[in-house]
Amino acid sequence: AQSVTQLDSQVPVFEEAPVELRCNYSSSVSVYLFWYVQYPNQGLQLLLKYLSGSTLVKGINGFEAEFNKSQTSFHLRKPSVHISDTAEYFCAVTTDSWGKLQFGAGTQVVVTP
Amino acid sequence: GAVVSQHPSRVICKSGTSVKIECRSLDFQATTMFWYRQFPKQSLMLMATSNEGSKATYEQGVEKDKFLINHASLTLSTLTVTSAHPEDSSFYICSAPGQGGGTDTQYFGPGTRLTVL
Repeated sequence: AQSVTQLDSQVPVFEEAPVELRCNYSSSVSVYLFWYVQYPNQGLQLLLKYLSGSTLVKGINGFEAEFNKSQTSFHLRKPSVHISDTAEYFCAVTTDSWGKLQFGAGTQVVVTP
Repeated sequence: GAVVSQHPSRVICKSGTSVKIECRSLDFQATTMFWYRQFPKQSLMLMATSNEGSKATYEQGVEKDKFLINHASLTLSTLTVTSAHPEDSSFYICSAPGQGGGTDTQYFGPGTRLTVL
């Protein structure tokens, strides 16, 4: 079985500052990794995913993440955040070809002016 | 991109009644759909895997008699919360794998907020 740990439950950040959201996973087999964003009272939107290949993955809205197999991490970064980036961010993992996802607890990002 | 819809978006019901939530893939077929439950300020927990033409597969601890799942067609899965109680109040979200299978992209519905009085 696999598991996902998001180390920060809430990350306050000022507008135009960089942000990093941490995600670590554990699995005995190869995994596929995802970051999703959830705005209030909405479903999830895919930010980016790692399936294979280059360990640096670029996603939508200026986000990127780096897969580090030795550290079993998949941290999400954005060099300069906007107010509109205020949302809940979820890291997720699957080993299932049909995508049964295991989610982390989520990180609430609050961007202030 | 692919779109998954849910209906209703919000529902309030009395304790003891049953509530049906629909999940539709609007522009693609989905032989598999997933149902998740999310409590306030918490993560999504997978409840069950809905399989078109066969029985759903439930995660450990999920009561299959309480959360009835029917995957009647390649574009529709329904979750019925039977004899709802206040503790069933939650945000229910469905998802469906994209054309490339699960490791491609999961498309999530906008969610249904259930409040049981």
